[in-house]
Order: sequence, then structure tokens, then C-alpha cells
Amino acid sequence: DQQVKQNSPSLSVQEGRISILNCDYTNSMFDYFLWYKKYPAEGPTFLISISSIKDKNEDGRFTVFLNKSAKHLSLHIVPSQPGDSAVYFCAASPNYGGSQGNLIFGKGTKLSVKP
Amino acid sequence: DAGVTQSPTHLIKTRGQHVTLRCSPISGHKSVSWYQQVLGQGPQFIFQYYEKEERGRGNFPDRFSARQFPNYSSELNVNALLLGDSALYLCASSLQGAGEYFGPGTRLTVT
Repeated sequence: DQQVKQNSPSLSVQEGRISILNCDYTNSMFDYFLWYKKYPAEGPTFLISISSIKDKNEDGRFTVFLNKSAKHLSLHIVPSQPGDSAVYFCAASPNYGGSQGNLIFGKGTKLSVKP
Repeated sequence: DAGVTQSPTHLIKTRGQHVTLRCSPISGHKSVSWYQQVLGQGPQFIFQYYEKEERGRGNFPDRFSARQFPNYSSELNVNALLLGDSALYLCASSLQGAGEYFGPGTRLTVT
């Protein structure tokens, strides 16, 4: 029973356009959400996070939106660049004393940005 | 500053054997977590240690164990290896309130 779902296994976008990666979760106890990017043969790289008290967090080309009522978050990348091509994982942290050690990951979405 | 380091990079073991994987966190990070990633899936939480105490354990059998040392480095041990234990094992370190920072992983192949 997946608690964090990334329903799109892959996404292809033209360079310069917006990439939107989606993530749904089922556990209302999750209060902290993170996005990671992963290249082959490397560990996941932390991109951006958002606390459940916010609905938006922005860092450069990356913006994460959180809709708590819909239990949905999305990562927007604008403008997309070929170097953004990677697998993107959504992760959620349960509210266990504020620790982020126990992350629940989705299966990932493979983003391909075409020049 | 060095990131999270893991050793070895790759490992091949036979069914029934035992394996020890090692992790050094980012300097100043006291929390270390271990994850298992099989092909086509996201990382799955195995253990978290904070200040040498186990803080969390995922849904893994007792064949999996871990510990954290006074310098905050950590070991993951897996006994009686099964073919299904073949995976990328990721270590992550964090400060409280920050995201997890992952190492490059150890690729374990069980034959």
C-alpha cells in the first residue's frame, strides 16, 4: 500500500518550457515534503522541501506547491534545461518528533528535457 | 566540505553470507539513516540513528541491523543474504529540521 504516489513514470519536456512533476500522498500525518533528483549511479540529491504550514516554496527555477486538502504536491521547474534530465523522487516525512530520518518515497518520475 | 561517504562502492556476495556496509555522515550531522533502493522503486527506509540511539526502523527482517559510533559514522549489517537483498543501499545524514543528504550508495549484488 503506497503512501506516496508518483503516477507518471516519465515526462518529456522541451528545453525552456515548464516541467511539472506531481505527487499524491495518503497519510494525513505527513507534515514535511521533499523533492530529490537522482542521476544514474549517484545518490539522490536534495532539491527543495516544504512544510505543511506552507502552500508554496520557491528556490530559483524550482517551486514546490502543496495542496493539503487534496493531499497533492507538485514540483515546477522553469525554465527546464537538458541538465535537469534525471529521475525525480517525491518524499514525505511523518510527524514523529520532527525527525526527517524516516522518509517515505514515491517510485519516481523520469524527466527528459529535449534540446 | 565532504558529503556523505559510503564504502564499499560495489559488492558481490553469495546467498547465506553476511555483509557490512559503512557510512560517514557530513561533518556536524548527528543523524544517519539507511535506505534500500531496488530497481524501479524509490528508496525504502531501513533504520535511523540519532546520537547513537535507534530512532526508527522500517519494515525489514531482523537479518538487518545497524549501529552508530561515537563519531556518528554508521554500519549496516545484513546476515544470511538472500537474492532479494540485491539493491542499492543508501546512507543519508541530516541535521534536525533539514532535508536528508544522501551518499552515492553501495551496490550490493547477491548471487
